[in-house]
Amino acid sequence: DGGITQSPKYLFRKEGQNVTLSCEQNLNHDAMYWYRQDPGQGLRLIYYSQIVNDFQKGDIAEGYSVSREKKESFPLTVTSAQKNPTAFYLCASSTGQGRWGYTFGSGTRLTVV
Amino acid sequence: AQKVTQAQTEISVVEKEDVTLDCVYETRDTTYYLFWYKQPPSGELVFLIRRNSFDEQNEISGRYSWNFQKSTSSFNFTITASQVVDSAVYFCALSPWYNQGGKLIFGQGTELSVKP
Repeated sequence: DGGITQSPKYLFRKEGQNVTLSCEQNLNHDAMYWYRQDPGQGLRLIYYSQIVNDFQKGDIAEGYSVSREKKESFPLTVTSAQKNPTAFYLCASSTGQGRWGYTFGSGTRLTVV
Repeated sequence: AQKVTQAQTEISVVEKEDVTLDCVYETRDTTYYLFWYKQPPSGELVFLIRRNSFDEQNEISGRYSWNFQKSTSSFNFTITASQVVDSAVYFCALSPWYNQGGKLIFGQGTELSVKP
């Protein structure tokens, strides 16, 4: 079955460390997105990519980095520059300029300890 | 401006009550798409419905129904005879035709709590 796989489901990080969240899709979707969700809050866009080797900043890109070397993969690195990284991170993909909506992964819950 | 407003932050009902979640949108495009997603406690957002701007017919799917009214720029979602399993955060989203990056515009979400 096609879908999006995010791993790991839970991640603990020490302050000052970089950590990479994985997102893989086998839907043949062109576009991929990373969102951050804080408790009781909505979705905030971190980065998005419409094609391989190209990506754009979203609303809260500071302290994050991404790459898009393959169509299927869009990993997100949370760097030590991100001051408050504890959150729930959701990856999504879409086709047709978003007119068919998104397919979401199951999310990664990152906790800084 | 292109925007989605879900004015109800939290709603609490008792099982078997009907409940309506409101969604109001703003867009300058004449062609656009509207969506509802459900986020259960597990965290993954699940697609519920897609509606294009030229189709104002209301839709019913089991206990779920959607009322789309272009005149009031609203796309409301009603759950009939709510159940505990309906407890979740519900997001309304807009995809305008001229849509840089294919980005969806999400509302802030409505947290629905259905008590037994």
